[in-house]
Amino acid sequence: QSALTQPPSASGSPGQSVTISCTGTSSDVGGYNYVSWYQQRPGKAPKLMIYEVTKRPSGVPDRFFGSKSGNTASLTVSGLQAEDEADYYCSSYAGSNNLVFGGGTKLTVL
Amino acid sequence: EVQLLESGGGLVQPGGSLRLSCAASGFTFSRYAMTWVRQAPGKGLEWVSSISDNGRRTYYVDSVKGRFTISRDNSKNTLYLQMNSLRAEDTAVFFCAKIVGGSAWASDYWGQGTLVTVSS
Repeated sequence: QSALTQPPSASGSPGQSVTISCTGTSSDVGGYNYVSWYQQRPGKAPKLMIYEVTKRPSGVPDRFFGSKSGNTASLTVSGLQAEDEADYYCSSYAGSNNLVFGGGTKLTVL
Repeated sequence: EVQLLESGGGLVQPGGSLRLSCAASGFTFSRYAMTWVRQAPGKGLEWVSSISDNGRRTYYVDSVKGRFTISRDNSKNTLYLQMNSLRAEDTAVFFCAKIVGGSAWASDYWGQGTLVTVSS
């Protein structure tokens, strides 16, 4: 049950696109299409942005896009806005009824 | 409107026990699996435990197996987490969350969390 690997930080200017990676193994990210992405602002609860690799819950802007290749999942945020500044966490089903999170990425809008 | 309200957190000595509750409203509680996720101060998210809609299946992260027990009372729309033999490393904000229907491993609604501090 090792944590998934995310870069500690990412940044971009308003209007630009940024991609956050989430690297696991064939036992988690690579083995299942149960990757989710959460946005968490300081002092707030996480908010689901993407589930099952690519699906967006109702109300999440289509500027948020999820994808996966092999053992690495990615979250792309296009048309960056100031309100996108937050911590982002990936998670993946890891088999044997276990869920694992990434360490989180702090997204800064410059 | 879906609402999840955690309670029961507080300061407890190492080796002590605490019971967290999560009162749910705004959805048919008995139809959805639920989960607890924690976040140590300044750290990332960690999955703790999940329970099926009818409560018959429960799952735990290795570090809490044998110490924590997840349960639910569908007649009261309430989720619980009984925590025994608490350790300093259990200090965290504990969030309860509703699991997306049909997808066992994503949570679409979260409570605001309750802080558990384990310290002497």
